[in-house]
Amino acid sequence: DTEVTQTPKHLVMGMTNKKSLKCEQHMGHRAMYWYKQKAKKPPELMFVYSYEKLSINESVPSRFSPECPNSSLLNLHLHALQPEDSALYLCASSPGPLSGTDTQYFGPGTRLTVL
Amino acid sequence: SQQGEEDPQALSIQEGENATMNCSYKTSINNLQWYRQNSGRGLVHLILIRSNEREKHSGRLRVTLDTSKKSSSLLITASRAADTASYFCATAYTGGFKTIFGAGTRLFVKA
Repeated sequence: DTEVTQTPKHLVMGMTNKKSLKCEQHMGHRAMYWYKQKAKKPPELMFVYSYEKLSINESVPSRFSPECPNSSLLNLHLHALQPEDSALYLCASSPGPLSGTDTQYFGPGTRLTVL
Repeated sequence: SQQGEEDPQALSIQEGENATMNCSYKTSINNLQWYRQNSGRGLVHLILIRSNEREKHSGRLRVTLDTSKKSSSLLITASRAADTASYFCATAYTGGFKTIFGAGTRLFVKA
């Protein structure tokens, strides 16, 4: 299985809602990533987990809370988001240990709209 | 900005023509990768070129790397409508743990 899956595909939420994005891979990869991508822009790194430990947090606001329950799963918990947080959220994985040189395998993304 | 720069920002060609897009970066790198993204979807890895390589081929793709100029180019030969996508270069600076994506080139291939 060489696939990274993300659920849901689309999410619409209000600014007071709490929701979670889920990412799963079964390639045995030990590094997992969350990216945020706005229209016509490149992906921007948010968080990186390596061996289930948070290794990189790109000064992301606390309304985004990542979680890595095990080596196959990555969650992004959302709370009190702002309309400007509307974007495509991409999950990726790489073999690990964490290295910027690894090829990353991306999921299809979750299109988030904050009203 | 830590991003590499890509040009052109957008490129429109006819099917069968070649498409060339360029990427420049700022500091020394271990390797450079190219990814493709179809509209609103995840990125797909295309090709990786190491810092000690100058040229690499994969099917209709040809990538060059000039470390003295800190630049790379991606050539897609005999383009097809299915090649319509955004193309991003990605670099990892020597000793760094983060992959940095360039601004991207949006390619449109007309049938």
